[in-house]
Order: sequence, then structure tokens, then C-alpha cells
Amino acid sequence: GAGVSQSPSNKVTEKGKDVELRCDPISGHTALYWYRQSLGQGLEFLIYFQGNSAPDKSGLPSDRFSAERTGGSVSTLTIQRTQQEDSAVYLCASSLVLRQGDSPLHFGNGTRLTVT
Amino acid sequence: GESVGLHLPTLSVQEGDNSIINCAYSNSASDYFIWYKQESGKGPQFIIDIRSNMDKRQGQRVTVLLNKTVKHLSLQIAATQPGDSAVYFCTPVSGGYNKLIFGAGTRLAVHP
Repeated sequence: GAGVSQSPSNKVTEKGKDVELRCDPISGHTALYWYRQSLGQGLEFLIYFQGNSAPDKSGLPSDRFSAERTGGSVSTLTIQRTQQEDSAVYLCASSLVLRQGDSPLHFGNGTRLTVT
Repeated sequence: GESVGLHLPTLSVQEGDNSIINCAYSNSASDYFIWYKQESGKGPQFIIDIRSNMDKRQGQRVTVLLNKTVKHLSLQIAATQPGDSAVYFCTPVSGGYNKLIFGAGTRLAVHP
């Protein structure tokens, strides 16, 4: 069946430009998560959504980062005025319900962002 | 906050051997643990999970052992295959909270 889809798969942008990363979760999954993974590193939590609401935005690295989710489905992560340190793979995941014990995360393959 | 450590950042095994990947966690309130596998260029994939009221759980070729006394768990892979080559993450969860903490992971390299 269809998994979590992320687009674009690769994005190269110039420093200072804005970028939008898109995530299509598995249909019916109410919870959606964004993580960031730098080369050879673990996953850094950014934000999660329960429906369209984001109860915890504490993981967003700076006010240049924002995310929204509409219709309880698609989510976009926006990075304004990109910096070179923003270069990473941005991973999206969804789960059927919010409680981890009831439904593990299903990850997309990520968007590799390179800021030049 | 929670920290997750891994005893061996890289593990090299021969095809057909058994692999053991270890993980230590710090939060004694962690009550649910998930192992993920991440292949190159892909997102993490769920392998197996275990709740704190269990000390062992078996899947297909994988077994997870949990020792709450010393806050340690391990993932055992039987008859390791080249397709098992990946980075493995253990993620402890406390209170069902979803801000999963991923450590740096352990890279498993399987040699023919």
C-alpha cells in the first residue's frame, strides 16, 4: 500500500532563499512528525501534529522554521532565509494515533536539502 | 532529558553469523521501546518493539531483550544477511509521548 510520501526528494537552494518541503502521510493517520537528520547523525525531532494542531514546537531550531498541516493530511515544513547549517535530510513520519505504544511511526524517505 | 547511547557505533559481522546490537537508556520512566532500521537513502523502518512488562520479544529472525534493572536493551539478529546492513536505532518512549529520541545509531555491516 501507499506509504509516507515526501517531495521533493532532493532540493538544492542558495543561501538566503526560502524552501518548502511537503509530506503526504498515510491515509487515515492522525499524527504526523518532522525530523531532521544530518549526515551520519541520529534523528533530531522538530515538530509533531495531532490532526492540524501542533502541541509541541519546541524542536524547531529557530523562528526561520515553521510547519503547518491542513485537512488533517498534507504537511509542509517551511524554512525561510536558508543557511548552510540547514543542510540535512528532512524526514516526515505518520502514525495512526498519537500514542507510540499503539502505533509506531512510518517514515518517508526524506527530502535531502542542500544549501549552497 | 532522555539520553540514548549505543555501545558499538559500528558492528561488522560475517554473513550467517548472529548479530547483537546493544542500547543503553537513561530514563527509568521509559515503558516502551522501539527498534528501527535505516537503510541508506531511506527513512527508518519499524522492526520490533517491546513493552516494559516484558523482558523478551521475538520476531522473524530478531529478538529484543530488555533489562530494566540496568536500563539496557539489545537487538539480536539471527543468521545475519547482507540485507540487514543498515543503521539501527533504539528509541525509548515514556508515557506514550511521541517525541521519540533517536541516538546516533549503530551501523551494522554484513560481509560475505
